[in-house]
Amino acid sequence: KQEVTQIPAALSVPEGENLVLNCSFTDSAIYNLQWFRQDPGKGLTSLLLIQSSQREQTSGRLNASLDKSSGRSTLYIAASQPGDSATYLCAAILDRGSTLGRLYFGRGTQLTVWP
Amino acid sequence: NAGVMQNPRHLVRRRGQEARLRCSPMKGHSHVYWYRQLPEEGLKFMVYLQKENIIDESGMPKERFSAEFPKEGPSILRIQQVVRGDSAAYFCASSPRVDRSTDTQYFGPGTRLTVL
Repeated sequence: KQEVTQIPAALSVPEGENLVLNCSFTDSAIYNLQWFRQDPGKGLTSLLLIQSSQREQTSGRLNASLDKSSGRSTLYIAASQPGDSATYLCAAILDRGSTLGRLYFGRGTQLTVWP
Repeated sequence: NAGVMQNPRHLVRRRGQEARLRCSPMKGHSHVYWYRQLPEEGLKFMVYLQKENIIDESGMPKERFSAEFPKEGPSILRIQQVVRGDSAAYFCASSPRVDRSTDTQYFGPGTRLTVL
């Protein structure tokens, strides 16, 4: 069974800081890993998807890395802004036919960026 | 192209009543997933459906819960005889399933179910 853990559970920083959010998973047979953003009372927005053959993906101020061998992914947020305040979730899809399509989520990191 | 639509956004039921949650996937998407987010917990997979087929329902409770995705119309998650422990946010996601290595799942805004 895949277990996904995110550290820290909560993070509060002043505007402008560079941030690192961590995600670890127990089953290295992942097919891809996604990072999502969830705003209070709303759905999830996909930020980045890293395929198992890739090591990182970048989008604007966001960079996500993946190390399958150590079971870790990291989301790096550069020059944080108050608008980045949200809960960040990582989720993995296993490379197993029986669980095709199923996303395994961590509990998230609740980020607050204050002006 | 409208995103994934879910309705109702909020649903209040008394214990023992039935809850029906609807999900309309993005246009062109034929794969639907349902997830549940209990208070203070992460999202948990419930069921994965294609049009007229249940592909994986291993995350769904064995009793009182059912899901369908008919040829026409939205996907429905049905909870019979609701109990307080069913109070949660229920999210639907869809994908085109063209290439599972690159497909992302697009999530709806969720339905927040409160059982009194």
